[in-house]
Amino acid sequence: ETGVTQTPRHLVMGMTNKKSLKCEQHLGHNAMYWYKQSAKKPLELMFVYNFKEQTENNSVPSRFSPECPNSSHLFLHLHTLQPEDSALYLCASSLPGSEQFFGPGTRLTVL
Amino acid sequence: KQEVTQIPAALSVPEGENLVLNCSFTDSAIYNLQWFRQDPGKGLTSLLLIQSSQREQTSGRLNASLDKSSGRSTLYIAASQPGDSATYLCAVRGMDTGRRALTFGSGTRLQVQP
Repeated sequence: ETGVTQTPRHLVMGMTNKKSLKCEQHLGHNAMYWYKQSAKKPLELMFVYNFKEQTENNSVPSRFSPECPNSSHLFLHLHTLQPEDSALYLCASSLPGSEQFFGPGTRLTVL
Repeated sequence: KQEVTQIPAALSVPEGENLVLNCSFTDSAIYNLQWFRQDPGKGLTSLLLIQSSQREQTSGRLNASLDKSSGRSTLYIAASQPGDSATYLCAVRGMDTGRRALTFGSGTRLQVQP
């Protein structure tokens, strides 16, 4: 499988649940990103990892917890979410200074 | 703080027309600019990447230009087709070497009528 993959593609969870989103890239990139796309708002950055180290956190609430065990995998652990966290969560990867490649996203609904 | 604006927000054209999508950014100190396409409910597909030292990039029927000093980029689509219907997003990366993330515009929703 090539490119950037994300699982699951759709997720419905209650506010008390704990779930995780997974992203995997097969492009040999060393930077990975989580973005959030809410209805009627521009895509906004959440986290950046460079060589497994978190280099950016865009003031994201602690109920979102990222994990990057290696340069190919990125997780977003979710707990005690709010209905306003419902959105499309997109993962991307890149080489330094190069274009970012995006996965298909996980559509999250918080009830 | 960088802000990216895309005009128009929505556009509907008949098949075969040439069209221009506009993107403007407030901080001209950018590293590169990237145009994406997004189909409904899907992820982003990279169309063109323009480095700050470049003036334009071409791929097939697409041509993107960059005028860094004025903070503008345009995406030109020639001979539009119904399959071009999607939302087109413009994003810029700043010069700060410690910051790799992109700042996105809100997109232009394009509908090409057969």
